[in-house]
Amino acid sequence: EAQVTQNPRYLITVTGKKLTVTCSQNMNHEYMSWYRQDPGLGLRQIYYSMNVEVTDKGDVPEGYKVSRKEKRNFPLILESPSPNQTSLYFCASISWTSGGAYEQYFGPGTRLTVT
Amino acid sequence: LAKTTQPISMDSYEGQEVNITCSHNNIATNDYITWYQQFPSQGPRFIIQGYKTKVTNEVASLFIPADRKSSTLSLPRVSLSDTAVYYCLVGDPYSTLTFGKGTMLLVSP
Repeated sequence: EAQVTQNPRYLITVTGKKLTVTCSQNMNHEYMSWYRQDPGLGLRQIYYSMNVEVTDKGDVPEGYKVSRKEKRNFPLILESPSPNQTSLYFCASISWTSGGAYEQYFGPGTRLTVT
Repeated sequence: LAKTTQPISMDSYEGQEVNITCSHNNIATNDYITWYQQFPSQGPRFIIQGYKTKVTNEVASLFIPADRKSSTLSLPRVSLSDTAVYYCLVGDPYSTLTFGKGTMLLVSP
């Protein structure tokens, strides 16, 4: 089944303890992205990657790192998490259709709580 | 970077047609308009995408006027299971993709 997977789905951690949220897609998509979703703010893009070894900042990159060493994986790293990074995180990948059109597929989400 | 404006919420009844409009005054030439549906604690799900005029698929229609400064998602004959948040996304993946705040659609019996 074509899908985007994220792990863990739920995580409670403490301020300053480094963590990584993994994201993997099995659709051979070049483009992958991370979003965070907070009440009343919709989804905001953190980082995106057009291809292996290519990453760019989104709207809210502060406090996050990413890497793209393989096409299928795009981990999100919080080197020193803080309570304001408590949020619901979504990974996504994009397939290109015709003439610049695209379709974006989202993972199931990771609910992170930083105390 | 196209910003979008949608109504915060809408109410409807089962069997009615629902139209949700999104305003995007500074849409760029390369931007596509995409609508997503999201249920609580799930990832957004693609509904429909268009560039101009009208697009229709098995679940919805998307109307885009010639100036592309707005778009309207049309859901025919909604059911209770259509209760969800609907997001309009205007953008191009080659730059940052920014979602609007979404429209909470509540469908009642």
